[in-house]
Amino acid sequence: SQKIEQNSEALNIQEGKTATLTCNYTNYSPAYLQWYRQDPGRGPVFLLLIRENEKEKRKERLKVTFDTTLKQSLFHITASQPADSATYLCALASNSGYALNFGKGTSLLVTP
Amino acid sequence: EPEVTQTPSHQVTQMGQEVILRCVPISNHLYFYWYRQILGQKVEFLVSFYNNEISEKSEIFDDQFSVERPDGSNFTLKIRSTKLEDSAMYFCASISGFGNSPLHFGNGTRLTVT
Repeated sequence: SQKIEQNSEALNIQEGKTATLTCNYTNYSPAYLQWYRQDPGRGPVFLLLIRENEKEKRKERLKVTFDTTLKQSLFHITASQPADSATYLCALASNSGYALNFGKGTSLLVTP
Repeated sequence: EPEVTQTPSHQVTQMGQEVILRCVPISNHLYFYWYRQILGQKVEFLVSFYNNEISEKSEIFDDQFSVERPDGSNFTLKIRSTKLEDSAMYFCASISGFGNSPLHFGNGTRLTVT
């Protein structure tokens, strides 16, 4: 069956450090992978999309890598701030392409 | 910036009752989705809808669930006879086109079944 696995443990880091979150998947052949942010009681908000032929994508302090051989994506937040505290979700399209499936997410807490 | 709006923000209902959750997707979007998130669990896909028909549904989306786009702006999720385990946050989402377009989510309806 298809699985999307993210660090189940919450990640606590100090302000200014780089946070690295991991997404591993099985039984997907994704053309692209997406990352979302979710705050408590709110809907997910799109952050970045990376295509299978892209090794790395950047947007401001965010960086995503995508390794289709390892079946893994890494999500980095550099110079982290307390406002970055949230749950970060990895998402992949189903084989039909009509559904976007989410991992459980990794909770990030950035302390001053 | 246009957004997906959902009403109500919180709905309390008794077991066995029917509920309708309402969504207004972004106006030029073509594909519409419902997701649910049980407290502390992951965001789970329920159904996708395009051109007035269901394009995909998950195992969760059984005969108790239905979706409708009754007019040009609203998109609804109906649960015919609610169960305790239907208590969750329900998110509506839409995208402008197919393929790698990002999903735009509403802020959800918290459904509590007592």
